[in-house]
Amino acid sequence: GAGVSQSPSNKVTEKGKDVELRCDPISGHTALYWYRQSLGQGLEFLIYFQGNSAPDKSGLPSDRFSAERTGGSVSTLTIQRTQQEDSAVYLCASTTGLAGNYEQYFGPGTRLTVT
Amino acid sequence: AQSVSQHNHHVILSEAASLELGCNYSYGGTVNLFWYVQYPGQHLQLLLKYFSGDPLVKGIKGFEAEFIKSKFSFNLRKPSVQWSDTAEYFCAVISFSGGYNKLIFGAGTRLAVHP
Repeated sequence: GAGVSQSPSNKVTEKGKDVELRCDPISGHTALYWYRQSLGQGLEFLIYFQGNSAPDKSGLPSDRFSAERTGGSVSTLTIQRTQQEDSAVYLCASTTGLAGNYEQYFGPGTRLTVT
Repeated sequence: AQSVSQHNHHVILSEAASLELGCNYSYGGTVNLFWYVQYPGQHLQLLLKYFSGDPLVKGIKGFEAEFIKSKFSFNLRKPSVQWSDTAEYFCAVISFSGGYNKLIFGAGTRLAVHP
């Protein structure tokens, strides 16, 4: 079946502009995660959704970052007033959300470049 | 808070050499451990996982990892690497908090295999 998809695959934006990144999880997966992969920084957890609610937003680096999920499916990560340090690959992952099923399936990522 | 350490940031090997990538985690309780691989231009894929049982875990493409509780380690091994193993490797542990879970990743190890 289809995996996790993300769009756009690449985004170049000017400093100060807002960007929206989209994630389509695997159908039926109730849990959705956003991570950020910065050069030399590894993968950093941003936010977790169970259904449409986000019980863990602890990884969002500033209040310029927000995310929502509608219909228990598609999620959008929004970065307002982008800064150069926001340049990174943003990864989305989903999992079934069932107890004991912890394997996360990752999308291809969106490479964000802030100029 | 849980953390994951990967000691080797860059590894260069010749084909047929043996590989061992180190991974140590900080949590002393029950752990669920993963190794993910990211081939050039591709998304993160699961190599192998440990939840319980036999501490020697076999994964895809001839990889294996050994969970050693007393050493808080989950090192990845392959007896004979191939050029196609060139990739970035991430060790990760599940962090449980508030009834949900997220992956905590190490910084990654870039492996380059020369023919």
